[in-house]
Amino acid sequence: ETGVTQTPRHLVMGMTNKKSLKCEQHLGHNAMYWYKQSAKKPLELMFVYNFKEQTENNSVPSRFSPECPNSSHLFLHLHTLQPEDSALYLCASSQETGTNYGYTFGSGTRLTVV
Amino acid sequence: QKEVEQNSGPLSVPEGAIASLNCTYSDRVSQSFFWYRQYSGKSPELIMSIYSNGDKEDGRFTAQLNKASQYVSLLIRDSQPSDSATYLCAVNTAWGSQGNLIFGKGTKLSVKP
Repeated sequence: ETGVTQTPRHLVMGMTNKKSLKCEQHLGHNAMYWYKQSAKKPLELMFVYNFKEQTENNSVPSRFSPECPNSSHLFLHLHTLQPEDSALYLCASSQETGTNYGYTFGSGTRLTVV
Repeated sequence: QKEVEQNSGPLSVPEGAIASLNCTYSDRVSQSFFWYRQYSGKSPELIMSIYSNGDKEDGRFTAQLNKASQYVSLLIRDSQPSDSATYLCAVNTAWGSQGNLIFGKGTKLSVKP
């Protein structure tokens, strides 16, 4: 596989469920990101990992918990979500954090919280 | 709050015309600027990057940057119906001492046959 792969593509979960989103990149990049995309809002940066270390947490509620076991894999663990958390969750990677690097995005996970 | 502003559109142009997409940003120290294309139901795809004032051309696409005015634009020449998508402007901003991309809401472009 090439590029950035996200699973699952679609997820419907109840507010009491626990689920995880998975992202894998095959580009040899060292930085990985989680973004949230809601209707009529700009992409919101959630978490940043550089060389497996979390470098930023953009005031994301604790019901979202990221995990980066290595530079190629990134997870987003979800628990007790709210309906307003329904959105497209995008994973991205880049060579490193910092200037001059464009991001490559995965196809996203469309999350619906019921 | 660092911001990237774009007109949401929709911007409608006839096939073969030039489409002009505009973006302004608030962080004066921004150094890198990107344009992404996002088809409906798909993820953003990087189409242009620009780092210096002036124009940068790649095929039918030209990115223009004016740091003094904090303005970046994307021109699409000979627009095709396949160019119909939402175009996202992204700007690097130093956040927590790391440069991360901040995105605008996007401009929806519709190219009419």
